[in-house]
Amino acid sequence: DTAVSQTPKYLVTQMGNDKSIKCEQNLGHDTMYWYKQDSKKFLKIMFSYNNKELIINETVPNRFSPKSPDKAHLNLHINSLELGDSAVYFCASSQDSPGGPVLSKTQYFGPGTRLLVL
Amino acid sequence: AQSVTQLGSHVSVSEGALVLLRCNYSSSVPPYLFWYVQYPNQGLQLLLKYTTGATLVKGINGFEAEFKKSETSFHLTKPSAHMSDAAEYFCAVSLNYGGATNKLIFGTGTLLAVQP
Repeated sequence: DTAVSQTPKYLVTQMGNDKSIKCEQNLGHDTMYWYKQDSKKFLKIMFSYNNKELIINETVPNRFSPKSPDKAHLNLHINSLELGDSAVYFCASSQDSPGGPVLSKTQYFGPGTRLLVL
Repeated sequence: AQSVTQLGSHVSVSEGALVLLRCNYSSSVPPYLFWYVQYPNQGLQLLLKYTTGATLVKGINGFEAEFKKSETSFHLTKPSAHMSDAAEYFCAVSLNYGGATNKLIFGTGTLLAVQP
């Protein structure tokens, strides 16, 4: 059973198009994340949702809009795609640890969506 | 600000040799540190993490890491490399973002090659 799944796995599109990436987790976690991995493999957080509420919103262009319809899903919509948006986008999730330190929470990653903008 | 630095973007070892991947951290508070592995065209998988307590942490696939506060290091080791260990390895530090959310600050990664 896949814990964190993403669709599509590959996405090739033209500049200026709008596209969405979907993420689902079946781990029962309360928090979900989007990370971007650039061509040099550098990973940076973009967004985080906890119980459908946006918590982390890093310096990301407004063209990127996350949406969390429920705790198990976190989608990423990208408007007016640009060449620089080409990257691998990873979804991740983690579980609240009542009484435990927040900092120790393990994040579980999906397989990634490889986006290529032409 | 919290950060991690991984020394060596590429490391090559022979099969059966010791693997040593270096990670140094910078943190104003006691750090929570993670090592993740990324196999080609796959997502990240947790190898091990340091929270509190024992400074020598054992992970999956025979990897371990030792937290050394005096050296601000959290190096990853494996006594004997296997061909299947070839992958990208990321060190990360956890940063509290408030409430129940943390975010991971990743190093730039180390690509491990294993030669037959």
